[in-house]
Amino acid sequence: DADVTQTPRNRITKTGKRIMLECSQTKGHDRMYWYRQDPGLGLRLIYYSFDVKDINKGEISDGYSVSRQAQAKFSLSLESAIPNQTALYFCATSDRRQTGELFFGEGSRLTVL
Amino acid sequence: QQQVKQSPQSLIVQKGGISIINCAYENTAFDYFPWYQQFPGKGPALLIAIRPDVSEKKEGRFTISFNKSAKQFSLHIMDSQPGDSATYFCAASSPNAGNNRKLIWGLGTSLAVNP
Repeated sequence: DADVTQTPRNRITKTGKRIMLECSQTKGHDRMYWYRQDPGLGLRLIYYSFDVKDINKGEISDGYSVSRQAQAKFSLSLESAIPNQTALYFCATSDRRQTGELFFGEGSRLTVL
Repeated sequence: QQQVKQSPQSLIVQKGGISIINCAYENTAFDYFPWYQQFPGKGPALLIAIRPDVSEKKEGRFTISFNKSAKQFSLHIMDSQPGDSATYFCAASSPNAGNNRKLIWGLGTSLAVNP
């Protein structure tokens, strides 16, 4: 089983719908992240959490919210999806001693029509 | 403002050739420089990383060259193979308050190695 699991892997939705992407990890890491990947734009940080009580905005948090339900679970919500949120979303984890190494899930591809 | 500039955006190399991807940075506080490799349908994974106290680090066919004075670092893939076809990201980080770090990413290079 994957250490960092994302669900769903693929989702097609309509403008205005609420969407939740879920991430769970078995690595025992404190730190969790949500990234968005778009062609030519690289990886952009949406939100990150250094522990259950700590939530921080990244560089592109507008239109997104997150919830850290437990050390192992970090979900990303789009309250009212819009077409320009069509992208590949990645969850990642790192440990407290981090040297910078992130462990990524396999991604959730979201299409907003 | 892109703090880590990566080039080229795409690269095509023949099997057995050398692939070279370059990154440049401005922030002299950066002290950790990883490269991530991403295959289609997968998340990025750490490939190799370097700290600025060394000028080169080699792991198998993959080498990072680091030039502190020029604020540049590069990934060299020797004897490139079709299985190396992937997107490569450089990144950089520096310690912040509480020893927390955030990675600053390059925009990625799509490498295709022709058989």
